[in-house]
Amino acid sequence: GAVVSQHPSRVICKSGTSVKIECRSLDFQATTMFWYRQFPKQSLMLMATSNEGSKATYEQGVEKDKFLINHASLTLSTLTVTSAHPEDSSFYICSAGSTGGSYTEAFFGQGTRLTVV
Amino acid sequence: AQKITQTQPGMFVQEKEAVTLDCTYDTSDQSYGLFWYKQPSSGEMIFLIYQGSYDEQNATEGRYSLNFQKARKSANLVISASQLGDSAMYFCAMREGVYNFNKFYFGSGTKLNVKP
Repeated sequence: GAVVSQHPSRVICKSGTSVKIECRSLDFQATTMFWYRQFPKQSLMLMATSNEGSKATYEQGVEKDKFLINHASLTLSTLTVTSAHPEDSSFYICSAGSTGGSYTEAFFGQGTRLTVV
Repeated sequence: AQKITQTQPGMFVQEKEAVTLDCTYDTSDQSYGLFWYKQPSSGEMIFLIYQGSYDEQNATEGRYSLNFQKARKSANLVISASQLGDSAMYFCAMREGVYNFNKFYFGSGTKLNVKP
C-alpha cells in the first residue's frame, strides 16, 4: 500500500527555536495533506488542511503564524513550529491522500514527538 | 455536537475472547465513511477497517468486523479472539463525502487491555 513518511520521529528543541517536520508521500501524489496534533491520552485534533500549491486552511484556534504549513509539491508538506514553547510539546501526525485514489485510502505518517525544553 | 463519540475510555478483555468497542457518529451527509484505527504506544495510526455509508454488508477484515447500524448511527468494532498484541488505543473516525479526500473526525478513543 501507499506509504507516508514523516520525519523526524522525535525532536527535542530549546524554547524559542523553530522546528520543521516533513511529511512525504512516497509512492503517490498527495494533493491534500492534513496535520493533526495529539496530546497525551487524547484524540487527534486537526490543525490544518494543506493543499498543494495553495495556502493551508487552519482550524479555529490554531495560530497560522506559529504553525507554518507549506505544501510546495505533490509529495511533500512541511509543518514548521515557530518560536516553540513548552506548551507546543505534543505528538504531531500527518495524513495524506489523493483525489485520484480510492476513497477508502487514508495514509498516516509515523508521527513526530516534539519536546520543547 | 460531537461528530464521533466513543463512550468507553478503557476496556479489558481476556485473551482469546471477543470484544466490542462502541462508536456512534453524527452527520447529516448521505455519503460518508467510517474507519477504525489502532494506535499502539509507538504512536503510528494503523488502519483496521472501513465501512462506507452505502455498503449494505458489514465490513470484515480478518479478526476485525464492523457492526454497522445506520439507523442508530453506530459503527462498533468487534475484535474476535483477542491477542495480547491487540492492547492499544483504538480510534473511530468518520470522513464525510465518499469520493473526496476530506478531513477525519476522530473519537476520543478507547484503550483496550488484553489480559493473559
